[in-house]
Amino acid sequence: EAGVTQFPSHSVIEKGQTVTLRCDPISGHDNLYWYRRVMGKEIKFLLHFVKESKQDESGMPNNRFLAERTGGTYSTLKVQPAELEDSGVYFCASSRSNQETQYFGPGTRLLVL
Amino acid sequence: KNEVEQSPQNLTAQEGEFITINCSYSVGISALHWLQQHPGGGIVSLFMLSSGKKKHGRLIATINIQEKHSSLHITASHPRDSAVYICAVSLGDTGNQFYFGTGTSLTVIP
Repeated sequence: EAGVTQFPSHSVIEKGQTVTLRCDPISGHDNLYWYRRVMGKEIKFLLHFVKESKQDESGMPNNRFLAERTGGTYSTLKVQPAELEDSGVYFCASSRSNQETQYFGPGTRLLVL
Repeated sequence: KNEVEQSPQNLTAQEGEFITINCSYSVGISALHWLQQHPGGGIVSLFMLSSGKKKHGRLIATINIQEKHSSLHITASHPRDSAVYICAVSLGDTGNQFYFGTGTSLTVIP
C-alpha cells in the first residue's frame, strides 16, 4: 500500500508569488489533514477534510490560504500571495476514520524569499 | 501556552543507554500519539495510547491519564534511534486533529 505522498518536496518562491502544494492520501482514507511547522515552533493544525468536505478549517491562518479536495481524493493547498511568514514545512496526513491513527506524508518545505 | 509540553528539548546519549522522553498535556484527550521523524525523513507513528502501556521492540510508551502525562522509553539505545520524537494528542472531537509538542531531538552516540 502506497503511503501519503506530497508534491513538491521543496519550493522556493518570492514574496507575492503563488504556490500550490499537493497531497495524495492513502487510497480509501476519507480523512485528510493539513499541518504546518514554522521554524522553531511545534507543528500546528491547518484544516481537516472528510472526503471532499471541509470538516474544520479553524487552523487556516488567513484568507491567503485556500485548500481544496475535489472528488475526495487528492488535496491542494494554495498560498496566494505568499508572505515571508508562510515559510515552513507543510505536512499532510490521512486516516481511514477520525478515530484511527494518522499517516503522514514527507512534507513540503516552503521557503518564501 | 501550548497544550502539549515535551522534555527534554534535546538529548544526547551514549549507545546502550536507557532513554526517557516526557510529555505532559493540559486538556482532556481521547488518545496520545508518539511520532518519530528521522533527519530528512517523514513522520512515522510509533504508538497511539489511550491508557496503560504499549511496547514495540525496544520502545515502550506509557500514559497516566489522571496525571496527564506520558513517557516514551528506549531501551539499549542505538545510533539509528537518533531522530526527533514528537508527542501529539487528539481530543476525540469530530475532527480528531493532532495537537503537537515541540519535539525532542535525540542523538545517540556510538
